[in-house]
Amino acid sequence: GEDVEQSLFLSVREGDSSVINCTYTDSSSTYLYWYKQEPGAGLQLLTYIFSNMDMKQDQRLTVLLNKKDKHLSLRIADTQTGDSAIYFCAESMGSSNTGKLIFGQGTTLQVKP
Amino acid sequence: KAGVTQTPRYLIKTRGQQVTLSCSPISGHRSVSWYQQTPGQGLQFLFEYFSETQRNKGNFPGRFSGRQFSNSRSEMNVSTLELGDSALYLCASSGAGRTEAFFGQGTRLTVV
Repeated sequence: GEDVEQSLFLSVREGDSSVINCTYTDSSSTYLYWYKQEPGAGLQLLTYIFSNMDMKQDQRLTVLLNKKDKHLSLRIADTQTGDSAIYFCAESMGSSNTGKLIFGQGTTLQVKP
Repeated sequence: KAGVTQTPRYLIKTRGQQVTLSCSPISGHRSVSWYQQTPGQGLQFLFEYFSETQRNKGNFPGRFSGRQFSNSRSEMNVSTLELGDSALYLCASSGAGRTEAFFGQGTRLTVV
């Protein structure tokens, strides 16, 4: 089946780390993605991970993938107020193409000063 | 390098009318996908075009259609608009490796 689940809301204090979690169902997914959406805007690609990797780090962002449990997480270090947004995880369906992405419901990250 | 451009940004239409939305992908990208975003259903895949051919289609009624031109620009059309079609319509473009999908700002469609 096609299903991606995320918790809906996360609140952190500025300077703390944020961890957003996601579970997916398609074991054949080749790539998994994290997108950020600010109010009134489109989706901004933050990072992605290939399914044969366990971890990917990109500046303040760390993606962890547990393929056995089909669990993906995004850690944002030193969270800033500008990180307040909705974060979506997505899986690519089937083989290595981005033609069809299945998105989670999105996690609203609130960063308090 | 210009990003994905969607026009128009905002549209208000009346029930029963039809609408055409446009998407210009990043230069050199040949894959364009369309998504509908609503508060209730979230982000849902509509269809994907690659080199003027529809490659994938989501679970939407036939009122939703699309096409892609030789320059990779894509249009989607919704006929006989319903109130429930009010949404943010997003398009994404991907390059040859199709590992990254870049989204436009979207078209906000309101059906009254």
